[in-house]
Amino acid sequence: DTGVSQDPRHKITKRGQNVTFRCDPISEHNRLYWYRQTLGQGPEFLTYFQNEAQLEKSRLLSDRFSAERPKGSFSTLEIQRTEQGDSAMYLCASGSGSSPLHFGNGTRLTVT
Amino acid sequence: DQQVKQNSPSLSVQEGRISILNCDYTNSMFDYFLWYKKYPAEGPTFLISISSIKDKNEDGRFTVFLNKSAKHLSLHIVPSQPGDSAVYFCAARDNTNAGKSTFGDGTTLTVKP
Repeated sequence: DTGVSQDPRHKITKRGQNVTFRCDPISEHNRLYWYRQTLGQGPEFLTYFQNEAQLEKSRLLSDRFSAERPKGSFSTLEIQRTEQGDSAMYLCASGSGSSPLHFGNGTRLTVT
Repeated sequence: DQQVKQNSPSLSVQEGRISILNCDYTNSMFDYFLWYKKYPAEGPTFLISISSIKDKNEDGRFTVFLNKSAKHLSLHIVPSQPGDSAVYFCAARDNTNAGKSTFGDGTTLTVKP
């Protein structure tokens, strides 16, 4: 069990640029989740996959956000035309069945 | 509308004493509750959970109590240790989406030596 891996750990970008984050879940886990966390708040659900199918998206996920999990393994989260309000910690988590989530260490995005 | 609330942003206790972290929820559909612990620069890690069919679950120094009628749960840590200093998140989920959790805003626990 190598844990959930996220890359990069930090990303600084200028407003209007596109960014992409990657998440490698625990290999045995068929569910993968993306959450967003801002300072002083708890993680907020964005979207989740079961295998390669994206089964639910939060209304927080605007049209500028897109997530994929092409082969049911790693996942990417892309944000187009970034805005300052997108600055946050983006957390990926994986799980199977009804097990608790295993989180990665997150990607901290700063939009200047 | 925040469905999971942790009303105490911070808590400070002396080493060896009991730490009690509280959590309230509003959604009656929640049937499983979890506590996660988060150190700086790391993601949350699972600590302990409880199903709605129980009112208590214990794991070593950690005990979670659930009062369904009050929609309230608490995490007790006894005895508290300096290494317990972290942010604690309460989370809840319903049976319509196994795994997806709604989190509170966290309580920062500081255990003083």
